[in-house]
Amino acid sequence: NAGVTQTPKFRILKIGQSMTLQCTQDMNHNYMYWYRQDPGMGLKLIYYSVGAGITDKGEVPNGYNVSRSTTEDFPLRLELAAPSQTSVYFCASSRIRGAVGNTIYFGEGSWLTVV
Amino acid sequence: AQTVTQSQPEMSVQEAETVTLSCTYDTSESDYYLFWYKQPPSRQMILVIRQEAYKQQNATENRFSVNFQKAAKSFSLKISDSQLGDAAMYFCAYVLGGGADGLTFGKGTHLIIQP
Repeated sequence: NAGVTQTPKFRILKIGQSMTLQCTQDMNHNYMYWYRQDPGMGLKLIYYSVGAGITDKGEVPNGYNVSRSTTEDFPLRLELAAPSQTSVYFCASSRIRGAVGNTIYFGEGSWLTVV
Repeated sequence: AQTVTQSQPEMSVQEAETVTLSCTYDTSESDYYLFWYKQPPSRQMILVIRQEAYKQQNATENRFSVNFQKAAKSFSLKISDSQLGDAAMYFCAYVLGGGADGLTFGKGTHLIIQP
């Protein structure tokens, strides 16, 4: 019963490098989300997807890209990493839009440090 | 845009006592959902309780209950018989019922349980 799985859990990047955070869910959820959590703050939405082939920007999309080629996977791409992207990243999914009668499931987080 | 405000950066309570965490939100919508999430040091996001805006009755989950005041846009969390395991960051969150965008979080309240 895996739920939402994120990899890697920890990563150190140098300024200007690129990487992809992987997220996969095995619950056949249509809705998937990427959040970031900076120290002492709540989570902020980066991108979300309502289904395969459909993505949209959240509150803080700059510096990131996403794709959704399958229902299960929703990778987050960081291009030209900057120190401001040092954060903990959470992937989440839900069965239907918003949280109408259902729960939003979170992954365990990916800790990213850009030096 | 919706906003969620948690005015208490930190709260402290004696074990077995009751504590109330405050949350206010700003929205012009009538169809929405409110949540309290617990985040222990592991950074895992754990759903504590959920409230549908259309329900007048306050949600309750064992030792956790809410005081939902829709007109005042207030959504406080009461923890009864506090336990050491309740120590964590607590985040209030909002999601629009009819939309696909994700949760909007407050900045969190750090709850300390004193033995």
